[in-house]
Amino acid sequence: GAVVSQHPSRVICKSGTSVKIECRSLDFQATTMFWYRQFPKQSLMLMATSNEGSKATYEQGVEKDKFLINHASLTLSTLTVTSAHPEDSSFYICSAWGGGNYEQYFGPGTRLTVT
Amino acid sequence: EDQVTQSPEALRLQEGESSSLNCSYTVSGLRGLFWYRQDPGKGPEFLFTLYSAGEEKEKERLKATLTKKESFLHITAPKPEDSATYLCAVTGANNLFFGTGTRLTVIP
Repeated sequence: GAVVSQHPSRVICKSGTSVKIECRSLDFQATTMFWYRQFPKQSLMLMATSNEGSKATYEQGVEKDKFLINHASLTLSTLTVTSAHPEDSSFYICSAWGGGNYEQYFGPGTRLTVT
Repeated sequence: EDQVTQSPEALRLQEGESSSLNCSYTVSGLRGLFWYRQDPGKGPEFLFTLYSAGEEKEKERLKATLTKKESFLHITAPKPEDSATYLCAVTGANNLFFGTGTRLTVIP
């Protein structure tokens, strides 16, 4: 149980374009989903927290107009990187929390490369 | 401010050589301490949750323990497939806060 999927697993895009990443909880309803980014050999940095049906809460320093998050249902959250630039290249990971025991279950990650 | 420090940053072990990874934490009102395993290019895989000092949990060759200031992940007789980065995270009043991890390499 507690499986979280992400799509796509890898994406390469040109500078200035937008990219959408999907995060799905496959076997449970996620009241809250989280988006992280991870640079090589560094730990996960929380970008934003999204609750189903409400606006996402962004961490300090994360541009909400650049990283658009939509949590349309209890099983799906999307992260859209708008007007991507090479410095946005990173590993983006989502996680989902079903409530209760504070445990977060992570997706497999999406490797974004902006050329 | 919530803080998590993991040591060592990297650890090389011979197959069968037991050792421990450390996670020291400072958090307001600990709700849970979590251990994850992360393989290169993949998302973290949940291992354990510990909620209170004195608690211990085991899974195969791994055993996690918790005190009021730190947690240890003990690895007994490791195998090469245990090679990964082990992440510790805590949650208190805020969201999950991660340490920088320990990169474990087990040499056959």
